Amino acid sequence: SQQGEEDPQALSIQEGENATMNCSYKTSINNLQWYRQNSGRGLVHLILIRSNEREKHSGRLRVTLDTSKKSSSLLITASRAADTASYFCATFQGAQKLVFGQGTRLTINP
Amino acid sequence: DTEVTQTPKHLVMGMTNKKSLKCEQHMGHRAMYWYKQKAKKPPELMFVYSYEKLSINESVPSRFSPECPNSSLLNLHLHALQPEDSALYLCASSRAGQETQYFGPGTRLLVL
Repeated sequence: SQQGEEDPQALSIQEGENATMNCSYKTSINNLQWYRQNSGRGLVHLILIRSNEREKHSGRLRVTLDTSKKSSSLLITASRAADTASYFCATFQGAQKLVFGQGTRLTINP
Repeated sequence: DTEVTQTPKHLVMGMTNKKSLKCEQHMGHRAMYWYKQKAKKPPELMFVYSYEKLSINESVPSRFSPECPNSSLLNLHLHALQPEDSALYLCASSRAGQETQYFGPGTRLLVL
């Protein structure tokens, strides 16, 4: 079953601009993760934010979590062509089942 | 070593073939996972092994048979697949339950 919904489904911006992606989920969580997937390849873990955290930074990435609204956002600042990828949020259903959102396909135009 | 490796990278098989996908990690992770991903869709969990024992089977058809020979290896045996099983098959590992998962590059499977 679908745990996370993401929007937008697709986002196209110019290099150097900021990109924001949003994720909503349905059940209570201990943490929420964001992953990146380059075209047709494996997923790379970007950041994990725990339910007692509201904001977390990693390099050019900023993630927020609002447990009252069951939503999270991923901000990529000063985007680069290499950031072109699909981005997925993911939460756990139970102890081991990681469920991914539908993903946002991000295109950075030079 | 923070890498999960998968072989083969690509696989084409007929519906009567038997083949196996292999996954290996040397990070000392005790949880390993198989996911299936169709084009433009998110990965969907198939199986979870925890301490080399199958802990989750997401109602996957029996034509997919997982195996965990030891703590570093995970196999997925394929038999009598259907064309709709064509997809990217991803392996992942993690230290324990609700932790970061490390993914391999995937095996792109085409069933003819």
